Amino acid sequence: SQQGEEDPQALSIQEGENATMNCSYKTSINNLQWYRQNSGRGLVHLILIRSNEREKHSGRLRVTLDTSKKSSSLLITASRAADTASYFCATDARLTGGGNKLTFGTGTQLKVEL
Amino acid sequence: EPEVTQTPSHQVTQMGQEVILRCVPISNHLYFYWYRQILGQKVEFLVSFYNNEISEKSEIFDDQFSVERPDGSNFTLKIRSTKLEDSAMYFCASREDVPYEQYFGPGTRLTVT
Repeated sequence: SQQGEEDPQALSIQEGENATMNCSYKTSINNLQWYRQNSGRGLVHLILIRSNEREKHSGRLRVTLDTSKKSSSLLITASRAADTASYFCATDARLTGGGNKLTFGTGTQLKVEL
Repeated sequence: EPEVTQTPSHQVTQMGQEVILRCVPISNHLYFYWYRQILGQKVEFLVSFYNNEISEKSEIFDDQFSVERPDGSNFTLKIRSTKLEDSAMYFCASREDVPYEQYFGPGTRLTVT
C-alpha cells in the first residue's frame, strides 16, 4: 500500500453513532495530521499528533497513533450530519531545507445520515 | 480567525497559456506550500518555500512551474505553458515555525481546455 492509506474508503453511519477511520503509512514520520474536506472545497485542519504521542483529543475527535504499526485512527464521536465529508490523514516528513511536506492518503468518505 | 486566501477561485485557460495563481498566507507564517488535487485523486505536494527560496519540490514541479513571494504578503504559483493534465485544484498552505500544522486555503480550480 502507499503512504497514507485510509480505510475504509467509504463509511455510512447514522447520526449519533461513532465513526472510526484508519490510516496506515510506510515511512518514519515527525507527526501525523488529519484533515477534513467537504466536496470540492478546501482542506480543514482537524488535529495533529506528534510521533511521541499515542493519543490526542479535540472536542468530539480522538486520534491515536501507533508508530510500531505505522498506523493511526480518527474517531468521531456522536456524529452529526454536518460531519459528512472526506477525511484524510497526512504524514509529515521533515525536509533537508528545514521545512516539512505533507503526504496525503486516499481519504475516507464519511456520510452521516439523519 | 486568520486564514489563507486564494484567488481566483476558478480559472479557465487554454492549453499553452501562462497562469498565475495567487495566495495570501497567514501573516505571521514562515513556511509556504503549494499542493494540487486532480479530480478524484490524492492531494499531492508540489513545492515548499521558506526564507525566500524553494526548500523542496516534487517531481511534478518541473521547469514549467515557478513560485514567488513578490511583496512579503502574496505567494504565487506560475505555470508557464499549461497542459491539459495541469487541470486540478491547487491549494496554498502556510505554517508557523512551530507548531507544524499547515493551514490550507480554499483552493483555485484550474481548468485547461
